[in-house]
Amino acid sequence: KNEVEQSPQNLTAQEGEFITINCSYSVGISALHWLQQHPGGGIVSLFMLSSGKKKHGRLIATINIQEKHSSLHITASHPRDSAVYICAVDGNQFYFGTGTSLTVIP
Amino acid sequence: EAGVAQSPRYKIIEKRQSVAFWCNPISGHATLYWYQQILGQGPKLLIQFQNNGVVDDSQLPKDRFSAERLKGVDSTLKIQPAKLEDSAVYLCASSPWTGGNNSPLHFGNGTRLTVT
Repeated sequence: KNEVEQSPQNLTAQEGEFITINCSYSVGISALHWLQQHPGGGIVSLFMLSSGKKKHGRLIATINIQEKHSSLHITASHPRDSAVYICAVDGNQFYFGTGTSLTVIP
Repeated sequence: EAGVAQSPRYKIIEKRQSVAFWCNPISGHATLYWYQQILGQGPKLLIQFQNNGVVDDSQLPKDRFSAERLKGVDSTLKIQPAKLEDSAVYLCASSPWTGGNNSPLHFGNGTRLTVT
């Protein structure tokens, strides 16, 4: 069983749509990270959060520690948002989800 | 601040050949990680260093993979000999401190290895 489960695995959206990616985890954590990976392979950290909600531009991340669940929302999606989004949790080590591949169509 | 630097960006080798990857973490970051990411999967930890000591190498295939961080700064990961299933992106990441402590995590751009 994976410590971190993401859904959906793949997501295709029309430009402008509101997008939600979900992450559930089963271990105790100090923080949860949302990462963005573009086709070239490099990973960029979008958010690190341990409670509540964070917002950066069109991106919003929320976490519910009691339910061990986090969501990443993208408002007014754009083709440049197309990437793989990975949820990672910081327990006694880092555990990674398998990623959600997002494609935003113009 | 400068990010995590990795080289090379791409490498193509034949099976049974050797290859080495280099990583320079963010200055001052004590913790360095090497991850292997196979296409369609999340990163898998190969080895974690704290300064120049190994914290976790339980998933490192030690018969063919080796890594070192001699001066507690930059690190090299070596595969000798390579197998077809080693084709993956090798990611280096660094953090100011170890996991479990609300640690920020910074990744390099990765080295994409293709073994033919």
